[in-house]
Amino acid sequence: AQSVTQPDIHITVSEGASLELRCNYSYGATPYLFWYVQSPGQGLQLLLKYFSGDTLVQGIKGFEAEFKRSQSSFNLRKPSVHWSDAAEYFCAVGVRNNDMRFGAGTRLTVKP
Amino acid sequence: GAGVSQTPSNKVTEKGKYVELRCDPISGHTALYWYRQSLGQGPEFLIYFQGTGAADDSGLPNDRFFAVRPEGSVSTLKIQRTERGDSAVYLCASSLMRGETQYFGPGTRLLVL
Repeated sequence: AQSVTQPDIHITVSEGASLELRCNYSYGATPYLFWYVQSPGQGLQLLLKYFSGDTLVQGIKGFEAEFKRSQSSFNLRKPSVHWSDAAEYFCAVGVRNNDMRFGAGTRLTVKP
Repeated sequence: GAGVSQTPSNKVTEKGKYVELRCDPISGHTALYWYRQSLGQGPEFLIYFQGTGAADDSGLPNDRFFAVRPEGSVSTLKIQRTERGDSAVYLCASSLMRGETQYFGPGTRLLVL
């Protein structure tokens, strides 16, 4: 069965610094991979997704993620973090976008 | 345009009571999903509808949980004989069809006392 691991429960970065959130997955076939963001009191918002093709995926709000099959990873990156990026970030793996498995999430705090 | 809406936004009930949670998907979306998110965890899949039928209910934890989507649009998640462990945020998502991006509602926060 597919599963997702987000090794970092909580990350703190300074505003303007770069960010990388880690995600490792376990799945036998080529996975569908997603990153969602959840702000307090808000629903989950899709940042980006990987289905196939180019392994570097661009998303909204300046985020990108790179699929590395050899490492079973799909890390999320942003070159310069803004205070408004403070939120909970979830990585998910799915089979044809059905029955998605989410990681436990990484909470991002942004220092001024 | 309207997104996925869920009502109520908060529900407090007593152990043993019955609750219904409603999800109104994006108009025209044929696929609808329910997830449960416990404190400090990611969303956990419960059930998936394609049209009116439950195509996959493998995530429902036990037979106290049931969901319907009688007309292929609005869905109701029903929990009988609620237990304190049912306390969580219940999320609904919809997609245009199976395999398309899922869009999430704001969730219903359920507290069982």
